[in-house]
Amino acid sequence: NAGVTQTPKFQVLKTGQSMTLQCAQDMNHNSMYWYRQDPGMGLRLIYYSASEGTTDKGEVPNGYNVSRLNKREFSLRLESAAPSQTSVYFCASRKGGSGANVLTFGAGSRLTVL
Amino acid sequence: GESVGLHLPTLSVQEGDNSIINCAYSNSASDYFIWYKQESGKGPQFIIDIRSNMDKRQGQRVTVLLNKTVKHLSLQIAATQPGDSAVYFCAETGGTGANSKLTFGKGITLSVRP
Repeated sequence: NAGVTQTPKFQVLKTGQSMTLQCAQDMNHNSMYWYRQDPGMGLRLIYYSASEGTTDKGEVPNGYNVSRLNKREFSLRLESAAPSQTSVYFCASRKGGSGANVLTFGAGSRLTVL
Repeated sequence: GESVGLHLPTLSVQEGDNSIINCAYSNSASDYFIWYKQESGKGPQFIIDIRSNMDKRQGQRVTVLLNKTVKHLSLQIAATQPGDSAVYFCAETGGTGANSKLTFGKGITLSVRP
């Protein structure tokens, strides 16, 4: 099993450009998450999808949109990239339910906005 | 507000010694705690978890201690090895429902001296 797969691994954008980060999991997990990681800030939740067909804002949703395309896939879109969105983005998934709270993370996508 | 934090940003230990990484949390309603390890260029990986009805849990070379009275969590690594060098995050959540979300601390770097 591949676990959680993110693409692309690296991306450089100019201010104002748009892009979509893709995430797919093959573990039949119900919940999926997008985090950003900045130096000294830890992991901050952008958006999450508790189950297929639902999405909710996390701690830092401004400037982002998400789509839960199906149970496997959860994409993160930047409509008009800003330098403040330079970060490493992590997708994660969780089976959910009692005893299944552990998040499985992807390898990350490093985004630089010039 | 709710927060999860770590006391020290870096920890340097001699190979073979035991390591202790500490974490404070402020949400008294949290009932589930996880430690993650993040190696350079990779996503966080699950190490060990503990529920609030326990005060100690052991894994392979790792032990997590939970003190609910002072809202303190620690990760003990026995016989620290070079492969243990990484950033360690504590995370907490209140519940296992679909909308429960993990809150991460800022992370501490463990450096193992040969």
